[in-house]
Amino acid sequence: GAVVSQHPSWVICKSGTSVKIECRSLDFQATTMFWYRQFPKQSLMLMATSNEGSKATYEQGVEKDKFLINHASLTLSTLTVTSAHPEDSSFYICSSRGWGNTEAFFGQGTRLTVV
Amino acid sequence: AQTVTQSQPEMSVQEAETVTLSCTYDTSESDYYLFWYKQPPSRQMILVIRQEAYKQQNATENRFSVNFQKAAKSFSLKISDSQLGDAAMYFCAYDLLNAGGTSYGKLTFGQGTILTVHP
Repeated sequence: GAVVSQHPSWVICKSGTSVKIECRSLDFQATTMFWYRQFPKQSLMLMATSNEGSKATYEQGVEKDKFLINHASLTLSTLTVTSAHPEDSSFYICSSRGWGNTEAFFGQGTRLTVV
Repeated sequence: AQTVTQSQPEMSVQEAETVTLSCTYDTSESDYYLFWYKQPPSRQMILVIRQEAYKQQNATENRFSVNFQKAAKSFSLKISDSQLGDAAMYFCAYDLLNAGGTSYGKLTFGQGTILTVHP
């Protein structure tokens, strides 16, 4: 099956710093990637959709200048949380979809803690 | 906009018994996909079962089956012969079709149901 690798699995950073999260499709070309955010015991909320080589489309209420998404290649998308604050602490999950896939495949998620 | 509602925040079942998780959704589309995902404590999202809206036959995957009622916009998950490993949070999700007729991948999730399995 298709494998999506997300890195790091967890990260702790100081308030005011930036953190980059990577999402890689290991055995297929991901034409579209999705970034979700999940608070404890809550649902996944879509943050943005990115297509390779295009600017990401952000959902309403998501600050695009704070959550920078880059999808420069067919196997890699990155989410950068800029000037992180404690309220940005959350679980971030990516999913990827390629041509011919019947579904999107999820990474294992990244737990971000901002102190 | 599409919405997905899971009205059962928590459910419990005895090992080897059967449990049904409920899900309703709202959409104006006629073609779409519905999914059930399992999220264990590791938080890795695992696809349990998928249903294409144009298919009348309910999907089945081993011990997991769905009751898809398109007119009622209902999509429940039945877990038979429950096992301890089934304990997890379960999410119902909706997805539109892309131009190729497959799942686009942009999922709308329900609130989730925490399933506890008692030995």
